[in-house]
Amino acid sequence: GAVVSQHPSRVICKSGTSVKIECRSLDFQATTMFWYRQFPKQSLMLMATSNEGSKATYEQGVEKDKFLINHASLTLSTLTVTSAHPEDSSFYICSARPQTDEQFFGPGTRLTVL
Amino acid sequence: AQKITQTQPGMFVQEKEAVTLDCTYDTSDQSYGLFWYKQPSSGEMIFLIYQGSYDEQNATEGRYSLNFQKARKSANLVISASQLGDSAMYFCAMREGLSGSARQLTFGSGTQLTVLP
Repeated sequence: GAVVSQHPSRVICKSGTSVKIECRSLDFQATTMFWYRQFPKQSLMLMATSNEGSKATYEQGVEKDKFLINHASLTLSTLTVTSAHPEDSSFYICSARPQTDEQFFGPGTRLTVL
Repeated sequence: AQKITQTQPGMFVQEKEAVTLDCTYDTSDQSYGLFWYKQPSSGEMIFLIYQGSYDEQNATEGRYSLNFQKARKSANLVISASQLGDSAMYFCAMREGLSGSARQLTFGSGTQLTVLP
Protein backbone atom coordinates (compact mmCIF):
# COMPACT_ATOMS: atom_id res chain seq x y z
CA GLY A 1 0.00 0.00 0.00
CA ALA A 2 0.90 3.65 -0.22
CA VAL A 3 3.35 4.88 2.38
CA VAL A 4 3.79 8.36 3.75
CA SER A 5 6.69 9.19 6.00
CA GLN A 6 7.23 12.10 8.33
CA HIS A 7 10.45 13.33 9.77
CA PRO A 8 11.19 13.86 12.56
CA SER A 9 8.79 11.73 14.54
CA ARG A 10 9.47 13.69 17.68
CA VAL A 11 11.14 17.04 18.27
CA ILE A 12 11.80 19.13 21.33
CA CYS A 13 12.93 22.69 20.84
CA LYS A 14 13.38 25.92 22.73
CA SER A 15 10.91 28.74 22.48
CA GLY A 16 11.74 31.10 19.65
CA THR A 17 13.39 28.56 17.38
CA SER A 18 12.02 27.28 14.07
CA VAL A 19 11.23 23.67 13.38
CA LYS A 20 10.86 22.01 9.98
CA ILE A 21 8.75 18.88 9.51
CA GLU A 22 9.00 16.87 6.32
CA CYS A 23 6.25 14.80 4.76
CA ARG A 24 7.13 12.40 1.96
CA SER A 25 5.05 10.09 -0.17
CA LEU A 26 7.37 7.15 -0.72
CA ASP A 27 5.76 5.16 -3.50
CA PHE A 28 3.33 7.48 -5.21
CA GLN A 29 3.06 11.02 -6.44
CA ALA A 30 0.92 13.27 -4.31
CA THR A 31 -0.62 16.17 -6.12
CA THR A 32 -2.17 17.33 -2.89
CA MET A 33 -0.89 17.16 0.66
CA PHE A 34 -2.69 18.19 3.81
CA TRP A 35 -1.34 19.29 7.16
CA TYR A 36 -3.31 18.62 10.33
CA ARG A 37 -2.80 19.50 13.94
CA GLN A 38 -4.08 17.43 16.82
CA PHE A 39 -4.14 18.39 20.48
CA PRO A 40 -4.35 15.63 23.12
CA LYS A 41 -7.67 13.79 23.18
CA GLN A 42 -8.98 15.96 20.35
CA SER A 43 -9.73 15.54 16.69
CA LEU A 44 -7.55 16.39 13.73
CA MET A 45 -7.90 19.98 12.63
CA LEU A 46 -6.91 20.86 9.10
CA MET A 47 -4.31 23.60 8.96
CA ALA A 48 -3.64 23.88 5.26
CA THR A 49 -3.87 22.24 1.89
CA SER A 50 -0.87 22.31 -0.38
CA ASN A 51 -0.67 21.55 -4.06
CA GLU A 52 2.63 20.94 -5.76
CA GLY A 53 4.08 24.08 -7.24
CA SER A 54 1.54 26.48 -5.84
CA LYS A 55 0.91 28.36 -2.62
CA ALA A 56 -0.77 26.54 0.21
CA THR A 57 -4.36 27.29 1.13
CA TYR A 58 -4.65 27.93 4.84
CA GLU A 59 -7.71 27.35 6.98
CA GLN A 60 -9.27 30.23 8.82
CA GLY A 61 -7.35 31.12 11.95
CA VAL A 62 -4.08 29.53 10.85
CA GLU A 63 -1.26 32.05 10.50
CA LYS A 64 0.47 31.49 7.19
CA ASP A 65 3.54 33.44 8.31
CA LYS A 66 3.92 31.22 11.34
CA PHE A 67 3.27 27.91 9.63
CA LEU A 68 5.20 27.98 6.37
CA ILE A 69 4.32 25.25 3.92
CA ASN A 70 6.35 24.35 0.88
CA HIS A 71 5.25 21.66 -1.56
CA ALA A 72 8.33 21.63 -3.72
CA SER A 73 7.79 18.31 -5.48
CA LEU A 74 5.15 15.65 -6.00
CA THR A 75 6.64 13.62 -3.17
CA LEU A 76 7.65 16.21 -0.58
CA SER A 77 5.91 18.85 1.47
CA THR A 78 7.43 20.67 4.42
CA LEU A 79 5.86 22.49 7.33
CA THR A 80 8.03 25.00 9.16
CA VAL A 81 6.85 26.28 12.51
CA THR A 82 8.58 29.63 12.83
CA SER A 83 9.46 31.18 16.18
CA ALA A 84 7.81 28.32 18.01
CA HIS A 85 6.15 28.91 21.37
CA PRO A 86 4.88 26.46 23.99
CA GLU A 87 1.32 26.82 22.68
CA ASP A 88 2.53 25.39 19.35
CA SER A 89 3.27 22.10 21.09
CA SER A 90 1.05 19.57 19.39
CA PHE A 91 0.91 16.49 17.19
CA TYR A 92 1.28 17.41 13.53
CA ILE A 93 0.10 14.94 10.92
CA CYS A 94 0.38 15.16 7.17
CA SER A 95 -1.56 13.27 4.59
CA ALA A 96 -0.92 12.79 0.92
CA ARG A 97 -3.42 12.24 -1.81
CA PRO A 98 -2.76 10.66 -5.19
CA GLN A 99 -5.32 10.80 -7.95
CA THR A 100 -7.66 8.44 -6.10
CA ASP A 101 -10.12 9.19 -3.31
CA GLU A 102 -7.94 7.93 -0.52
CA GLN A 103 -5.74 9.96 1.73
CA PHE A 104 -2.68 8.32 3.19
CA PHE A 105 -1.48 9.63 6.51
CA GLY A 106 2.00 10.01 7.82
CA PRO A 107 2.86 8.69 11.28
CA GLY A 108 2.83 12.17 12.78
CA THR A 109 5.36 14.44 14.46
CA ARG A 110 5.12 15.28 18.12
CA LEU A 111 6.41 18.79 18.73
CA THR A 112 7.24 19.97 22.22
CA VAL A 113 8.30 23.58 22.66
CA LEU A 114 9.97 24.35 25.97
CA ALA B 1 -23.08 23.37 12.46
CA GLN B 2 -20.89 20.33 12.90
CA LYS B 3 -20.34 18.47 9.68
CA ILE B 4 -19.42 15.22 11.41
CA THR B 5 -20.84 14.27 14.78
CA GLN B 6 -19.66 11.42 16.93
CA THR B 7 -21.76 11.40 20.08
CA GLN B 8 -19.87 8.70 21.96
CA PRO B 9 -16.66 10.05 23.52
CA GLY B 10 -15.92 6.63 24.97
CA MET B 11 -17.17 3.09 24.48
CA PHE B 12 -16.45 -0.21 26.17
CA VAL B 13 -16.96 -3.63 24.64
CA GLN B 14 -16.23 -7.12 25.80
CA GLU B 15 -13.70 -9.06 23.78
CA LYS B 16 -15.28 -11.13 20.96
CA GLU B 17 -18.46 -9.09 20.98
CA ALA B 18 -19.62 -6.64 18.32
CA VAL B 19 -19.70 -2.88 18.81
CA THR B 20 -21.24 -0.02 16.87
CA LEU B 21 -19.63 3.40 16.76
CA ASP B 22 -22.02 6.15 15.77
CA CYS B 23 -21.43 8.84 13.17
CA THR B 24 -23.83 11.33 11.67
CA TYR B 25 -22.96 13.88 9.04
CA ASP B 26 -24.31 17.04 7.54
CA THR B 27 -23.84 18.06 3.93
CA SER B 28 -25.83 19.57 1.11
CA ASP B 29 -23.62 17.95 -1.52
CA GLN B 30 -25.02 15.00 -3.43
CA SER B 31 -21.56 13.54 -3.88
CA TYR B 32 -19.47 12.81 -0.85
CA GLY B 33 -17.37 10.11 0.74
CA LEU B 34 -17.36 8.80 4.27
CA PHE B 35 -14.31 7.33 5.95
CA TRP B 36 -13.43 5.65 9.20
CA TYR B 37 -9.95 5.78 10.67
CA LYS B 38 -8.41 4.12 13.69
CA GLN B 39 -5.79 5.95 15.73
CA PRO B 40 -3.94 3.86 18.33
CA SER B 41 -1.91 5.48 21.08
CA SER B 42 1.10 5.62 18.73
CA GLY B 43 -0.71 8.34 16.79
CA GLU B 44 -0.76 6.92 13.29
CA MET B 45 -4.01 7.18 11.37
CA ILE B 46 -5.06 3.80 10.01
CA PHE B 47 -7.65 3.76 7.23
CA LEU B 48 -10.41 1.24 7.90
CA ILE B 49 -13.27 1.63 5.48
CA TYR B 50 -14.82 3.92 2.87
CA GLN B 51 -18.39 4.51 1.69
CA GLY B 52 -19.27 6.66 -1.30
CA SER B 53 -22.56 8.50 -1.31
CA TYR B 54 -23.71 6.67 -4.43
CA ASP B 55 -22.71 3.23 -3.21
CA GLU B 56 -25.84 1.17 -2.80
CA GLN B 57 -24.25 -1.57 -0.78
CA ASN B 58 -22.85 -1.07 2.69
CA ALA B 59 -19.08 -1.21 2.66
CA THR B 60 -17.36 -4.12 4.39
CA GLU B 61 -13.69 -4.78 5.10
CA GLY B 62 -13.02 -7.89 7.11
CA ARG B 63 -14.41 -7.36 10.61
CA TYR B 64 -15.40 -3.79 9.78
CA SER B 65 -18.67 -2.85 8.16
CA LEU B 66 -20.29 0.50 7.61
CA ASN B 67 -24.00 0.82 8.29
CA PHE B 68 -24.84 3.54 5.78
CA GLN B 69 -28.27 5.11 6.16
CA LYS B 70 -28.36 7.93 3.68
CA ALA B 71 -31.77 9.32 4.57
CA ARG B 72 -30.72 9.58 8.20
CA LYS B 73 -27.27 10.83 7.24
CA SER B 74 -25.60 8.26 9.40
CA ALA B 75 -22.56 6.11 8.75
CA ASN B 76 -22.03 3.94 11.78
CA LEU B 77 -19.02 1.64 12.03
CA VAL B 78 -19.65 -1.90 13.17
CA ILE B 79 -16.73 -3.93 14.47
CA SER B 80 -17.51 -7.60 14.82
CA ALA B 81 -15.69 -10.02 17.13
CA SER B 82 -13.77 -7.30 18.97
CA GLN B 83 -10.14 -7.92 19.78
CA LEU B 84 -7.94 -6.34 22.43
CA GLY B 85 -5.95 -4.70 19.65
CA ASP B 86 -9.05 -2.82 18.55
CA SER B 87 -8.68 -0.52 21.57
CA ALA B 88 -7.99 2.88 20.03
CA MET B 89 -9.53 6.20 19.06
CA TYR B 90 -11.85 5.96 16.07
CA PHE B 91 -12.59 8.88 13.79
CA CYS B 92 -15.35 9.29 11.26
CA ALA B 93 -14.55 11.66 8.41
CA MET B 94 -16.23 13.08 5.34
CA ARG B 95 -15.00 14.47 2.07
CA GLU B 96 -17.53 16.56 0.23
CA GLY B 97 -17.60 16.90 -3.51
CA LEU B 98 -17.12 14.68 -6.49
CA SER B 99 -14.84 11.68 -6.45
CA GLY B 100 -11.34 12.78 -7.28
CA SER B 101 -11.83 16.29 -5.98
CA ALA B 102 -9.08 17.82 -3.94
CA ARG B 103 -11.30 18.64 -1.01
CA GLN B 104 -10.05 17.89 2.42
CA LEU B 105 -11.40 15.48 5.00
CA THR B 106 -13.44 16.83 7.89
CA PHE B 107 -13.13 14.75 11.03
CA GLY B 108 -15.50 14.05 13.89
CA SER B 109 -14.43 14.40 17.49
CA GLY B 110 -13.66 10.71 17.81
CA THR B 111 -14.71 7.78 19.97
CA GLN B 112 -12.27 6.11 22.35
CA LEU B 113 -12.98 2.39 22.20
CA THR B 114 -11.74 0.11 24.95
CA VAL B 115 -11.98 -3.64 24.52
CA LEU B 116 -12.20 -5.49 27.81
CA PRO B 117 -10.72 -8.97 28.26
